[in-house]
Amino acid sequence: GENVEQHPSTLSVQEGDSAVIKCTYSDSASNYFPWYKQELGKRPQLIIDIRSNVGEKKDQRIAVTLNKTAKHFSLHITETQPEDSAVYFCAASYPGNTPLVFGKGTRLSVIA
Amino acid sequence: SAVISQKPSRDICQRGTSLTIQCQVDSQVTMMFWYRQQPGQSLTLIATANQGSEATYESGFVIDKFPISRPNLTFSTLTVSNMSPEDSSIYLCSVVPRANEQFFGPGTRLTVL
Repeated sequence: GENVEQHPSTLSVQEGDSAVIKCTYSDSASNYFPWYKQELGKRPQLIIDIRSNVGEKKDQRIAVTLNKTAKHFSLHITETQPEDSAVYFCAASYPGNTPLVFGKGTRLSVIA
Repeated sequence: SAVISQKPSRDICQRGTSLTIQCQVDSQVTMMFWYRQQPGQSLTLIATANQGSEATYESGFVIDKFPISRPNLTFSTLTVSNMSPEDSSIYLCSVVPRANEQFFGPGTRLTVL
């Protein structure tokens, strides 16, 4: 089955700097790669996703890139703000409405 | 996205007892999943709740411990049976209303004493 590795486990950045979180997946059959943000005590919220037919997707300050050959994808947050502080999870799934396999998460702290 | 509710939002239970968690969605969805999130950890899939048939369980999770019902396309229940402190976790249902995009319920925070 699919396995998703996520790095780093913790990340601290100064407000205004960029943050990058990286994930690798094991199964080339996976074709959907979402990112979730989970604030303390809250449910995971889908913030951006990318499908295997696309190399990059951007939504305001966040962007995701996908390298199918290397089987890795990354989340980029620019101009970080204190409210970006949370745990971020990457995930992968197979075609169809299949369940997600999650990475272990990255705790991002944005220091004002 | 879908509007998903869970009941209860939290509970404190004694070991050896059982708790049933309800998940309600505001629209009909084919796929509904149950996940567990242990303290400080990632999300682990327990099972896929299939409408009209038995749930499909992941390795390490069994029906006797986590029986699931899915009577219709908007509702599911997960029961945590014969609980022990190791079952203390957040339990989340999720749905896929369209094309892989998965949305989570607010979760049920379970503490077993």
